[in-house]
Amino acid sequence: DIQMTQSPSSLSASVGDRVTITCRASQSVGSWLAWYQQKPGKVPSLLIYKASTLQSGVPSRFSGSGSGTEFTLTISSLQPDDLATYYCQHYNSYPHTFGQGTKLEIK
Amino acid sequence: ELQLVESGGGLVQPGGSLRLSCAASGFTLSSHPMHWVRQAPGRGLECVSAVSSGGDPYYVDSVKDRFIISRDNSKNTLSLQMDNLRVEDTAVYYCARRLGFGYALDVWGHGTMVTVSS
Repeated sequence: DIQMTQSPSSLSASVGDRVTITCRASQSVGSWLAWYQQKPGKVPSLLIYKASTLQSGVPSRFSGSGSGTEFTLTISSLQPDDLATYYCQHYNSYPHTFGQGTKLEIK
Repeated sequence: ELQLVESGGGLVQPGGSLRLSCAASGFTLSSHPMHWVRQAPGRGLECVSAVSSGGDPYYVDSVKDRFIISRDNSKNTLSLQMDNLRVEDTAVYYCARRLGFGYALDVWGHGTMVTVSS
């Protein structure tokens, strides 16, 4: 099974900051990588798929990059509404493993 | 509007069974890969089962031989039959749609809570 490792596990940033979360795969997943946002007490929602394609309706301050084994999610200017846990997930082969999550707090 | 609504969760003793259902509206469920994703209290996400649009099932090792995923195309529903439940199966179970090959989980249900406890 492919293991997904996110870093950091948690971070605190201020409104307006640029925030970057990293996701590493234990073997290549090509570009079959998604990012999800889960706000407290809510259902996960898709932010980015195919490593860098923004899901319809997602604000443009979110972006994704990478391929192979290393990927990043960037929030260009952090907003209060971005308080959430972020998960990466590969879907190259079953099982479609998720990373352990990155909890983002607003200072 | 695209919607998934789960039902069937509850409290069950270890070794017991539950059947989760997921009703789809706004799209034809059988045209898409469908997934069951669970989240234990305070923990992360885990894909436990999936079925391709062609009907091929997938199970994570920890639920193989205990869970069965199925579709009822006439009712546009997805089900997860869960037998021999364990305490570690306690979680919120979400059903989710994958639009197709190359796409990720774009529509999620609200989830149904399964608690396995004596």
